[in-house]
Amino acid sequence: DPKIIQKPKYLVAVTGSEKILICEQYLGHNAMYWYRQSAKKPLEFMFSYSYQKLMDNQTASSRFQPQSSKKNHLDLQITALKPDDSATYFCASSQDTGLGYEQYFGPGTRLTVL
Amino acid sequence: GEQVEQRPPHLSVREGDSAIIICTYTDSATAYFSWYKQEAGAGLQLLMSVLSNVDRKEEQGLTVLLNKKDKRLSLNLTAAHPGDSAVYFCAVRFYYNVLYFGSGTKLTVEP
Repeated sequence: DPKIIQKPKYLVAVTGSEKILICEQYLGHNAMYWYRQSAKKPLEFMFSYSYQKLMDNQTASSRFQPQSSKKNHLDLQITALKPDDSATYFCASSQDTGLGYEQYFGPGTRLTVL
Repeated sequence: GEQVEQRPPHLSVREGDSAIIICTYTDSATAYFSWYKQEAGAGLQLLMSVLSNVDRKEEQGLTVLLNKKDKRLSLNLTAAHPGDSAVYFCAVRFYYNVLYFGSGTKLTVEP
């Protein structure tokens, strides 16, 4: 059974719209993350959460807002979508923050903005 | 932020040969190093990680070497087989919860 679920697998949106990417982990982990993989850049860290609190944000745009309704959920809301937002978004989790705690990745949501 | 260079971008080997992928990094405070495998259309699978106090680690046909002096990390797949065909990423961490990734190496293992 998949331990990190991301929904949907594929998503097509129009410029200017808003979408929410879903991530749920069933590993019992306390920390969750979002990364982005686009054609132009290597995998980039976006956010980290620990015990549902934002720990680190390396996303310049406020159009990207993580939402954690439960400890094992970290959704990503993206507003005012732009074609440059087209990428595969990966959710990850780890038992805790700190060195030695491995990050495990979900299968990704591939977002295309037209 | 941390800069991670990975090479080669593409690597083709024959079944049974070794495949070596190299990453270099800039920050000497980098403390944790990982290798991930991404098969077509899939997420990232963690292969192996090492702390900065480890020079060499071997597991299941994979060897990770860390040269802190040269700030170089390598992954050696010994006796590669077609199932190893995928994109491989190195990732380094000096910040406690942020992974910095290399650009990836697409490995093709031909029968």
